[in-house]
Amino acid sequence: KAGVTQTPRYLIKTRGQQVTLSCSPISGHRSVSWYQQTPGQGLQFLFEYFSETQRNKGNFPGRFSGRQFSNSRSEMNVSTLELGDSALYLCASSGDGYSGANVLTFGAGSRLTVL
Amino acid sequence: AQKVTQAQTEISVVEKEDVTLDCVYETRDTTYYLFWYKQPPSGELVFLIRRNSFDEQNEISGRYSWNFQKSTSSFNFTITASQVVDSAVYFCALSTRGNAGNMLTFGGGTRLMVKP
Repeated sequence: KAGVTQTPRYLIKTRGQQVTLSCSPISGHRSVSWYQQTPGQGLQFLFEYFSETQRNKGNFPGRFSGRQFSNSRSEMNVSTLELGDSALYLCASSGDGYSGANVLTFGAGSRLTVL
Repeated sequence: AQKVTQAQTEISVVEKEDVTLDCVYETRDTTYYLFWYKQPPSGELVFLIRRNSFDEQNEISGRYSWNFQKSTSSFNFTITASQVVDSAVYFCALSTRGNAGNMLTFGGGTRLMVKP
């Protein structure tokens, strides 16, 4: 069973540019969540998509957005990049359910460096 | 609001020593779930255990054991006879039934270094 696949694994951008990250969940999983990991702020929840609808959103500015496709693949986009957006972006998928009990399976992450 | 605190930012032990990673959580929800994840240098978070708020039974899995105490809002993780392969960052996390979905609140993580 294939795991969660994130692309690209590494990328470098300059301030002001935008970036799109992709996540393919485990087959059959309809929930995809995104997290940002930085040395200063740790792991922070960005948003969650379930059946193409945003179900939860963290406390991030509107420059951070996402979407989910009918095959459950998800993308997140960051516009007008800032130096502080340099981070490891982790995607996680899980099965159905919304009680908070689901175990999230994480991908290896996309490491974004903003120069 | 939820909060998870891992007071130990870094722990260094010698192989075969026992080590306990502390986790303290805060939530007003009565139904919640606690998790431990391991993050090796490769980056992905690897699930270790989930506990729900109604199950205070301690759990042992091989060299790993977990102690859940609601009275002190703690969910500590012990590695017995540590090995070099245990070197990683360990995260404690919390989710609650009140969240409409899967949203984990993570602690700051504890970096464990096991030296040979």
